[in-house]
Amino acid sequence: GESVGLHLPTLSVQEGDNSIINCAYSNSASDYFIWYKQESGKGPQFIIDIRSNMDKRQGQRVTVLLNKTVKHLSLQIAATQPGDSAVYFCAEIRSGTSYGKLTFGQGTILTVHP
Amino acid sequence: NAGVTQTPKFQVLKTGQSMTLQCAQDMNHNSMYWYRQDPGMGLRLIYYSASEGTTDKGEVPNGYNVSRLNKREFSLRLESAAPSQTSVYFCASGSTTGRVEAFFGQGTRLTVV
Repeated sequence: GESVGLHLPTLSVQEGDNSIINCAYSNSASDYFIWYKQESGKGPQFIIDIRSNMDKRQGQRVTVLLNKTVKHLSLQIAATQPGDSAVYFCAEIRSGTSYGKLTFGQGTILTVHP
Repeated sequence: NAGVTQTPKFQVLKTGQSMTLQCAQDMNHNSMYWYRQDPGMGLRLIYYSASEGTTDKGEVPNGYNVSRLNKREFSLRLESAAPSQTSVYFCASGSTTGRVEAFFGQGTRLTVV
């Protein structure tokens, strides 16, 4: 695994705004891409997943977009709330591996100001 | 519904000491995993167990051993702790079919001095 240093990308938004968190991936042979949310002092919590043969998937207040051409994944959070403040990680499930065997990206710190 | 339970939550070790991190899940999942998380980084897989009776190395297995005691429990052992093993350790469990969601414990914060 590559080292990515101590400084995570950050995103600051106002409550009620929409947030977009981005992730670049390198491996084309992944079956699923997943977004996890990690609050301070807690383990990662599943948000939403998207299968590699899809471009878009929507959940409650969240949308994940997958652009395989440029190997880019994004998470859109609508009407961001202070409770959304956390570190957000994208992760891949590579082809032929079990679902919990995840390859995580670096993470983005989201701060929501009231 | 406890989910994934890890013990202990915090631990300080001296270099060279050994310890075992415990993990148990009550969701009847076949697969269990140990990850470590260093400051400012994503989680990296140490070892995993796809099913009871099997274990495999992940990305960063050196210095660790694991035991899948039964379907519920998966332990991680540090035989001779080193400062480089200072990290937060997360256990996770997941299904092998159906939902892709993995469930994580609260973590064990380990400091090796």
